[in-house]
Amino acid sequence: DQQVKQNSPSLSVQEGRISILNCDYTNSMFDYFLWYKKYPAEGPTFLISISSIKDKNEDGRFTVFLNKSAKHLSLHIVPSQPGDSAVYFCAALGGSQGNLIFGKGTKLSVKP
Amino acid sequence: SAVISQKPSRDICQRGTSLTIQCQVDSQVTMMFWYRQQPGQSLTLIATANQGSEATYESGFVIDKFPISRPNLTFSTLTVSNMSPEDSSIYLCSAAGTSGRSSYNEQFFGPGTRLTVL
Repeated sequence: DQQVKQNSPSLSVQEGRISILNCDYTNSMFDYFLWYKKYPAEGPTFLISISSIKDKNEDGRFTVFLNKSAKHLSLHIVPSQPGDSAVYFCAALGGSQGNLIFGKGTKLSVKP
Repeated sequence: SAVISQKPSRDICQRGTSLTIQCQVDSQVTMMFWYRQQPGQSLTLIATANQGSEATYESGFVIDKFPISRPNLTFSTLTVSNMSPEDSSIYLCSAAGTSGRSSYNEQFFGPGTRLTVL
């Protein structure tokens, strides 16, 4: 059973608007979350992270929100740019080896 | 951040053969991992590559099928043995615990190896 879920396989947004990517997790023991961006034919690139002691972390146009009671986090990109078009993976740090557990990803398309 | 390279970037192989994928990091790292991403799926951990000792495998993955080496703190290999079409996937290595970074939680990924088995 998937421990990290990204229920929207794709999202399309107009340039300049806000992109909101959602992620749910099932294991309340997870205490650190990361977002990765992946372009075709490249490996995932670290974008932003958040510890469970926080509910918000901001880095430029990217903000991650964490709602622990709902076991839900979201990535906000504002304003969205065409170069943001990529697959975004949500991940939780919590594997038995200190590894990351990934969602299936959401493909974001930002249209000019 | 660490710069990670993988060789080969892609390959097409025949059923029953084996392929070794190399992963090189430009700095010493504490942890190295091997992931697989099958079409339409998330990245799934195969194993943790331990320096100087046997790799630690996740459930569903075994050493005979995916032997791993990690001779030092900057290099690892993953072999996909006795391949079948079901092994067609993208294989990614990642590293964590790079020197100079305060957080060991952020993993950096190589570009991946796209494997097709006929």
